[in-house]
Amino acid sequence: GQNIDQPTEMTATEGAIVQINCTYQTSGFNGLFWYQQHAGEAPTFLSYNVLDGLEEKGRFSSFLSRSKGYSYLLLKELQMKDSASYLCAVRPANNKLIFGAGTRLAVHP
Amino acid sequence: DVKVTQSSRYLVKRTGEKVFLECVQDMDHENMFWYRQDPGLGLRLIYFSYDVKMKEKGDIPEGYSVSREKKERFSLILESASTNQTSMYLCASSQDSLSNQPQHFGDGTRLSIL
Repeated sequence: GQNIDQPTEMTATEGAIVQINCTYQTSGFNGLFWYQQHAGEAPTFLSYNVLDGLEEKGRFSSFLSRSKGYSYLLLKELQMKDSASYLCAVRPANNKLIFGAGTRLAVHP
Repeated sequence: DVKVTQSSRYLVKRTGEKVFLECVQDMDHENMFWYRQDPGLGLRLIYFSYDVKMKEKGDIPEGYSVSREKKERFSLILESASTNQTSMYLCASSQDSLSNQPQHFGDGTRLSIL
């Protein structure tokens, strides 16, 4: 079967760094996406990885290891507005997206 | 910026009713998708469409149908609503089948079936 796992909840302190992990098992692999979703709002696209390594975009970075079926999203210099759910999604061979259940991040002062 | 608009943010219907959820995108995207989002389960794909009048079943199509008569509009239909279809419904669109194209989401419709 196809499966994506990520932690259900995380907490972190304003100004700190947090790493949200995602492991996946899919039939084929055509890329991995990270989305941010604030409560009651639409998911918004954060990053895309298809090759191994780190992609950096401002305070956010995403890493991929295809051989390990593993990705992480790294958030630096955390701000209160980063409190949201973070969704990991994989595009397998058939070009649909499979989503994990999401990680709810709470940033506190 | 891509704009995906869902017709209602909140909707309350009764068991057995036929329910229509509408979605419109303004970026001439080829692909459109309907998901439902439930706590602890993440987003699950109901149906998607890669062209006008074309549709494919997703992972949970039972009890739903879709219509895509125009490129910009993708409708989700609950043929006979049931209480287990109470959920958040999200519509998305993407440019084409290239792997690096992200899906863009609407704000969602929170549907309650009484």
